[in-house]
Amino acid sequence: QKEVEQDPGPLSVPEGAIVSLNCTYSNSAFQYFMWYRQYSRKGPELLMYTYSSGNKEDGRFTAQVDKSSKYISLFIRDSQPSDSATYLCAMKEAGSYQLTFGKGTKLSVIP
Amino acid sequence: DAGVTQSPTHLIKTRGQQVTLRCSPKSGHDTVSWYQQALGQGPQFIFQYYEEEERQRGNFPDRFSGHQFPNYSSELNVNALLLGDSALYLCASSLGRGSYEQYFGPGTRLTVT
Repeated sequence: QKEVEQDPGPLSVPEGAIVSLNCTYSNSAFQYFMWYRQYSRKGPELLMYTYSSGNKEDGRFTAQVDKSSKYISLFIRDSQPSDSATYLCAMKEAGSYQLTFGKGTKLSVIP
Repeated sequence: DAGVTQSPTHLIKTRGQQVTLRCSPKSGHDTVSWYQQALGQGPQFIFQYYEEEERQRGNFPDRFSGHQFPNYSSELNVNALLLGDSALYLCASSLGRGSYEQYFGPGTRLTVT
């Protein structure tokens, strides 16, 4: 079993839809949770980060962490064609230097 | 504000050869991490350099080695290239070792034939 599981999709939604992206994990030592966006043939771009459990909102994006279920989510409201990209979840243990990534979910927002 | 830069953008090598990839961190950052991203996969941690020393290493063989210079830039060296080393190699910079805020460069796409 991989430490971080993420459905690779692809996920296709109409413009304006609410998008829900999810990851599950098995390592209870993860304390930091990040979401990255990666456009084709580019490096990942840090979107949001959350420490421990709870919600965090930034514009159209909301990140949620449920440590009891080992489950994290990213919601995108009013999705735009420019949101079309691969979304990667990443996690880190306190005291560790490495990020552990999911495989990424490829999202297409259709105009 | 200059972001993370990497060179070269692409390169093609033959099995058994050696390759050196370069990274300049974001302005103000002092820590560099290297990741390998195979097609359709998430990035895999190779190692992190801070204060010119390797601080943590992922599950990669000794064929992968690195270096950090006094100006915080870094190199990734891969010896005895295998076909399976074909991937996008990403450099990420951060401030301080162990930071969760890692900012990635555009990557170097390595093809081994």
